[in-house]
Amino acid sequence: EDQVTQSPEALRLQEGESSSLNCSYTVSGLRGLFWYRQDPGKGPEFLFTLYSAGEEKEKERLKATLTKKESFLHITAPKPEDSATYLCAVQRNRDDKIIFGKGTRLHILP
Amino acid sequence: DSGVTQTPKHLITATGQRVTLRCSPRSGDLSVYWYQQSLDQGLQFLIHYYNGEERAKGNILERFSAQQFPDLHSELNLSSLELGDSALYFCASSVDGPYNEQFFGPGTRLTVL
Repeated sequence: EDQVTQSPEALRLQEGESSSLNCSYTVSGLRGLFWYRQDPGKGPEFLFTLYSAGEEKEKERLKATLTKKESFLHITAPKPEDSATYLCAVQRNRDDKIIFGKGTRLHILP
Repeated sequence: DSGVTQTPKHLITATGQRVTLRCSPRSGDLSVYWYQQSLDQGLQFLIHYYNGEERAKGNILERFSAQQFPDLHSELNLSSLELGDSALYFCASSVDGPYNEQFFGPGTRLTVL
C-alpha cells in the first residue's frame, strides 16, 4: 500500500538550532513530492514541489531534497516564526492521487 | 489572503443531514481540489477538478460528491452525514496541475451532532 511517513511527529528547537525533518514514502510511480507549511486553524501553504531524485529547492531558511525513498526538509538557523506543522505529500503517476503524511509539528523556542 | 474563498466558515448540523460547501478559486486558476482534515486522519485528498472535469479521485466516500461549474467555482456535497464526518474541509486551487503551487482557502469547519 502506498504511504507517506513523516518523522519526528514533533520537534522542539532553540532559535538558531538547525535540523531536518524526514518524509519517507512508498509509492508505485512518483509524479511529484510536495512540502507544505500549516499554521493552526489555517489552510496549508505551499512550499516546494520536487520531481526527481537528486533535486533540491530552497526558500529562505528552508531547503528540500529528494531521494528515491525519502525527502528531507532542512531548516537552517530557524526563528520562532518558523513554528508550524510541516506536511509532506506525494502524487501517484497512475491516477494522480495525492497522499499526505501526518506532519511534523515544529516549535522554535526564542 | 490566498485569494481562495470558502463558505460557510462554520457549519453545525445533525446526523443524516445533507450540506453543501462552496469554493471560489483564485482568478485564473482552472484546478480545484478538495481535502478533508481531521485530528486522527490528518489531511486527506478527496477530489481534483480541472476546468469542469474530474481529474483525480482520492478517498472520497460515495456519500460525498463534488462538481465544478462553468464559472470555475466548486461545490462539495456531503449527504447522510455521520459523526465521523466532522472535520475541516479545505479547498485549494492552482493554475493547472498540483505540481504547480496550490493556494488553500481558509476552510469550512463542519460539526455533525
